[in-house]
Amino acid sequence: DTGVSQNPRHKITKRGQNVTFRCDPISEHNRLYWYRQTLGQGPEFLTYFQNEAQLEKSRLLSDRFSAERPKGSFSTLEIQRTEQGDSAMYLCASSLRTAAGYGYTFGSGTRLTVV
Amino acid sequence: AQTVTQSQPEMSVQEAETVTLSCTYDTSESNYYLFWYKQPPSRQMILVIRQEAYKQQNATENRFSVNFQKAAKSFSLKISDSQLGDTAMYFCAFTYTGANSKLTFGKGITLSVRP
Repeated sequence: DTGVSQNPRHKITKRGQNVTFRCDPISEHNRLYWYRQTLGQGPEFLTYFQNEAQLEKSRLLSDRFSAERPKGSFSTLEIQRTEQGDSAMYLCASSLRTAAGYGYTFGSGTRLTVV
Repeated sequence: AQTVTQSQPEMSVQEAETVTLSCTYDTSESNYYLFWYKQPPSRQMILVIRQEAYKQQNATENRFSVNFQKAAKSFSLKISDSQLGDTAMYFCAFTYTGANSKLTFGKGITLSVRP
């Protein structure tokens, strides 16, 4: 078990381009979460999966954002037509369904810079 | 809606001394969990300590302990014998049993430990 893995660690893109991030959770964890963290702020919830089902999406997740978790394993977060306001750290976390009160295991994040 | 407030943006402490980080929250839920997470510079977020709301006893983890005041909706973190490795951002977070483990975070506090 190598923990939660996120790739890439850093991404610089031009405004208007599409980007995709990947998250590989801990293998036995059936819940997977995406959060966004801007400089000097706490993480904000974006969306969450239980196995392959996307069960909740935040209003922060505009139409330009889409997340998938095929086969309930890894997950991808895609941002289309990036804007400068999308610049942030995107964090992935996973947990066991029965461990709601035990917090998550976080990945190291993907830092997105839109220029 | 649940809110978590960390009103101190920065704190500094001398190595080996004790420091207390403040957190207040607002909720109408009765069954919930509170957490403190640590985010070192450019490193992933890790769980420091957790508290179950139905337990009156304050949680402790080695040098870390909490002062949980349920009526006042206060959840402070005490770090004893501060070490240089404690330098990080610290986030207070909340979830309730019906929230699918979705965490609500405060804005965080930057703690610097001086040698």
